[in-house]
Amino acid sequence: KNQVEQSPQSLIILEGKNCTLQCNYTVSPFSNLRWYKQDTGRGPVSLTIMTFSENTKSNGRYTATLDADTKQSSLHITASQLSDSASYICVVSDRGSTLGRLYFGRGTQLTVWP
Amino acid sequence: EADIYQTPRYLVIGTGKKITLECSQTMGHDKMYWYQQDPGMELHLIHYSYGVNSTEKGDLSSESTVSRIRTEHFPLTLESARPSHTSQYLCASSETETQYFGPGTRLLVL
Repeated sequence: KNQVEQSPQSLIILEGKNCTLQCNYTVSPFSNLRWYKQDTGRGPVSLTIMTFSENTKSNGRYTATLDADTKQSSLHITASQLSDSASYICVVSDRGSTLGRLYFGRGTQLTVWP
Repeated sequence: EADIYQTPRYLVIGTGKKITLECSQTMGHDKMYWYQQDPGMELHLIHYSYGVNSTEKGDLSSESTVSRIRTEHFPLTLESARPSHTSQYLCASSETETQYFGPGTRLLVL
């Protein structure tokens, strides 16, 4: 069964600290992996997208890594800010259909305290 | 500015009422999607469309229906709302791999 598992479920950190969120997947075949940020009451916004051949990608203070062999990805946030408080969702796409089906994780709820 | 819009943002309605959730995008994308998301849970695809006059059911069974008469418009309709329909509904569109999401509609059926 194709699945995307994220950990931790929730995380609280102090402003200015770094943190790392984890994503493990069993989706096969694999096309790409995305990290989305979803603010409360809003739709998800894409942060990064990585294909099979990419093992790291940065977007400002966000750096995503991908190990396609172990089917693991991480999202590292540097020097956290209050505005980073949100749910971070890992999404994996397969090649199995013309739609490029997406498999969503449940997200990690990050809270940044001042 | 190219964007994707959803209305209403919040809706509280009684059981048995007919409702239509609106979704419009100004990016000219052919593909559009409807997702359902409960708090703390993953998004579930309930409908999608490849283009005008194309609609397909997603992975999660839903009593809702959709239509795609115009490229930019993808409304979702519930003929008779029930409390089990209470959820957040997210609309998205895409041209390539990345989907762009609207702000969502939070529906509460009493």
